[in-house]
Amino acid sequence: GENVEQHPSTLSVQEGDSAVIKCTYSDSASNYFPWYKQELGKGPQLIIDIRSNVGEKKDQRIAVTLNKTAKHFSLHITETQPEDSAVYFCAASRGYGGSQGNLIFGKGTKLSVKP
Amino acid sequence: DSGVTQTPKHLITATGQRVTLRCSPRSGDLSVYWYQQSLDQGLQFLIQYYNGEERAKGNILERFSAQQFPDLHSELNLSSLELGDSALYFCASSPTGTSYNEQFFGPGTRLTVL
Repeated sequence: GENVEQHPSTLSVQEGDSAVIKCTYSDSASNYFPWYKQELGKGPQLIIDIRSNVGEKKDQRIAVTLNKTAKHFSLHITETQPEDSAVYFCAASRGYGGSQGNLIFGKGTKLSVKP
Repeated sequence: DSGVTQTPKHLITATGQRVTLRCSPRSGDLSVYWYQQSLDQGLQFLIQYYNGEERAKGNILERFSAQQFPDLHSELNLSSLELGDSALYFCASSPTGTSYNEQFFGPGTRLTVL
């Protein structure tokens, strides 16, 4: 089945610096790649997603890139702020039907942004 | 606030017992997903219901079961509890049956098995 590996498991940056989190997936049929942010004591919340027909997507300070050949996708956060501190999860799915259509999550990256 | 509610917030019980976790999806959402989150395993998909029918199964133990009722709320039943079942259990909902759409997560139920 699908396996998603996420690195690093922890990341500490200074406020204003950039942060990059990387994920690799094993199922070449995966076509949907969301990123979720989980703040302490809360459930995960979608922050950005990308579909396999797109190589890059941006939303203000957040961007995601996808390399289908390498089965690799990354989250980039620029001009980090203390409120970006949270656990970030990448996920992959085939998108439609069946158990393999459901989200397979990476193990998470704890991002700390120091003021 | 995602609009998904889960009760109870915390649950403490003993090994061998049975518990029921409840989830109310966002208004209008037809799909409910259940996930288990533990420190070493991350977020693991358990099961999905769509409009009252089981849609997909993930890594759900035989001791666990779920259902979705006509009003679309869902319950996750955990029986013969073991220490290793201690975890955060999240419910998520989405408008359709496909994982191509955003899933809205509830605040979770923290289960502690003593």
